[in-house]
Formats: sequence, C-alpha cells, structure tokens
Amino acid sequence: AQSVAQPEDQVNVAEGNPLTVKCTYSVSGNPYLFWYVQYPNRGLQFLLKYITGDNLVKGSYGFEAEFNKSQTSFHLKKPSALVSDSALYFCAVRDTKLYSGAGSYQLTFGKGTKLSVIP
Amino acid sequence: NAGVTQTPKFQVLKTGQSMTLQCAQDMNHNSMYWYRQDPGMGLRLIYYSASEGTTDKGEVPNGYNVSRLNKREFSLRLESAAPSQTSVYFCASSPTGSGNTIYFGEGSWLTVV
Repeated sequence: AQSVAQPEDQVNVAEGNPLTVKCTYSVSGNPYLFWYVQYPNRGLQFLLKYITGDNLVKGSYGFEAEFNKSQTSFHLKKPSALVSDSALYFCAVRDTKLYSGAGSYQLTFGKGTKLSVIP
Repeated sequence: NAGVTQTPKFQVLKTGQSMTLQCAQDMNHNSMYWYRQDPGMGLRLIYYSASEGTTDKGEVPNGYNVSRLNKREFSLRLESAAPSQTSVYFCASSPTGSGNTIYFGEGSWLTVV
C-alpha cells in the first residue's frame, strides 16, 4: 500500500522568511512524489514532482522540494515566503511497484497543510 | 486552453435526489479520475478510468456510478444523494504512465440537505 503523511495541519511563517511544508511517505517500491497547491475555492494546481534523478526538484513559483530516501521524506521549501503563497498544500505519492491492472496509476494524497504567510 | 472542465460548479440536492456531474478534458489524456475533498480528509479517489471503455473503483466508490462516455468525457452520478455525500468533487485527467502528472478541474461544490 502507498500512503503519505503531512504532520502539520497548519504552518505559519512571516513574509520574507523561508518556509518548509513537511511530507513523509510509505511505499513498497520506489516513489513518485508530487506537490500540489490549492487556493480558496479553486482546484489543485501542480507545483513539482520527483520521478528520478537529482534529489532537489525545482518547481513553479520558486518552490523546491528535496527527496530524501533514507528519511522517506519530500519536504516542500521556499527561500522567501510571499503573502500570496498562503494556500493549502498537498503532497501525493504513487508507488512504482503498484499496478492496477487497468493501466492507471493511482495517486494517494496527504490531508493537506494550510500555509499562512503573515505580512 | 480549457484543460479539465467540470459542471455544475455548485449544486444543492435534497436527500434521495439524483444528479450527474459532468467532466470533459481537452488534453487528449487517456486516464480520468473523480476525487472528493472533505475537510481534514484530503482527497479521496472515488472512481477512475484508465482508458476509454474501462472504469475501476477507487477508495470510496459506494453511492456513486461513473461513465466514460468517450476519451474526453467522464461523468459521476449520484443515484440517491445522501447528506454524507456533501463534499467538493474534483475531476482530473492524466496521460498514461506512472510518472505523469494529474491535472485537476476547478471543482464542483455539492450540498445534500
């Protein structure tokens, strides 16, 4: 089974400070990892993903995430937070060892972390 | 540049009524999905369709049916709505392949009273 945990329901950070949103995962094989952002009353927008290669992944809006296999983590980071970064952030995982038999690869989401950037 | 389009955006139903949520994508993706989002629960997969002509149950399929009408369209039907189905529903699509990104629609807010 594949699962993902976001240990913090809410993260508060001052504008201009670095931010980190935590994510840990559990899979049988190798993970494919994703971060999405959701603004109020909107759908989820893709930020970045780790498939293979460099452990540091860069994505949209200045966000990056570091894949750490030994700690089974994929924390989202940004060097300097903006008020406009305030949103709900979701980590998601797909286990490369799982195969549905129908050709689809299911994505399992964490429960989300609400990021509030304080002016 | 529409991506994934869902209708309706908002709907209020009475318990026992039926309704269908429509979804269409213009990205020529093979796979399509229906998720529901509830506070503190994240997103949970209801049904998915790996390709035209196939559908499979996800994590929370009870009370729902789906139809993959063609490659573009994937509808979700509530036959007899219950208050527990009050939620935000998201349709999504992706190309075939485990490393590919899933793209989401803007959501449908459903209230069952």
